[in-house]
Amino acid sequence: ETGVTQSPTHLIKTRGQQVTLRCSSQSGHNTVSWYQQALGQGPQFIFQYYREEENGRGNFPPRFSGLQFPNYSSELNVNALELDDSALYLCASSLAGIHTIYFGEGSWLTVV
Amino acid sequence: KNEVEQSPQNLTAQEGEFITINCSYSVGISALHWLQQHPGGGIVSLFMLSSGKKKHGRLIATINIQEKHSSLHITASHPRDSAVYICAASWETSGSRLTFGEGTQLTVNP
Repeated sequence: ETGVTQSPTHLIKTRGQQVTLRCSSQSGHNTVSWYQQALGQGPQFIFQYYREEENGRGNFPPRFSGLQFPNYSSELNVNALELDDSALYLCASSLAGIHTIYFGEGSWLTVV
Repeated sequence: KNEVEQSPQNLTAQEGEFITINCSYSVGISALHWLQQHPGGGIVSLFMLSSGKKKHGRLIATINIQEKHSSLHITASHPRDSAVYICAASWETSGSRLTFGEGTQLTVNP
């Protein structure tokens, strides 16, 4: 039990649709990072939010966007879904300056 | 460029064997993480270290800063150890953002 909750756990979308994934971080953690993990590969960094501001972004197009709310929960939004967006999306929370990181169980997205 | 490389990609062992998974990284990390991922997808943090050695039960993690290398050892392996083990690093310049290795799929047979 890491205290990081993600929803939904599984979902199927059609190419061209939009999706919103949600993450409730560990209590008090002000930093949330999102990762995409394709099958058989290691996770890839999408972006990070610190105190409601984007604080670093990986090599993902602008149709991947996010939000962090005052309670530090977070959303990942993906527009114009493509087949290659099918992956496990992981949320990780931490406290800025502290290296311990807690992961959620992930959201499995399938785009058909 | 911040990089993490892990080996082997796949590892099959018999119950009771001693297992080693290796990880190398580019210079200047602030922390090295060993993580475990089960088929359901969730990731559990096993160790976070920046120097020396840490031990938890049958798991041991070591890091050699000069060699830019870390190892995860499992003693007396058991089928329940079967999982993907991933090393990941963070750098001072990137805060808590992690760069992951590709993972090692470990299968321990009874």
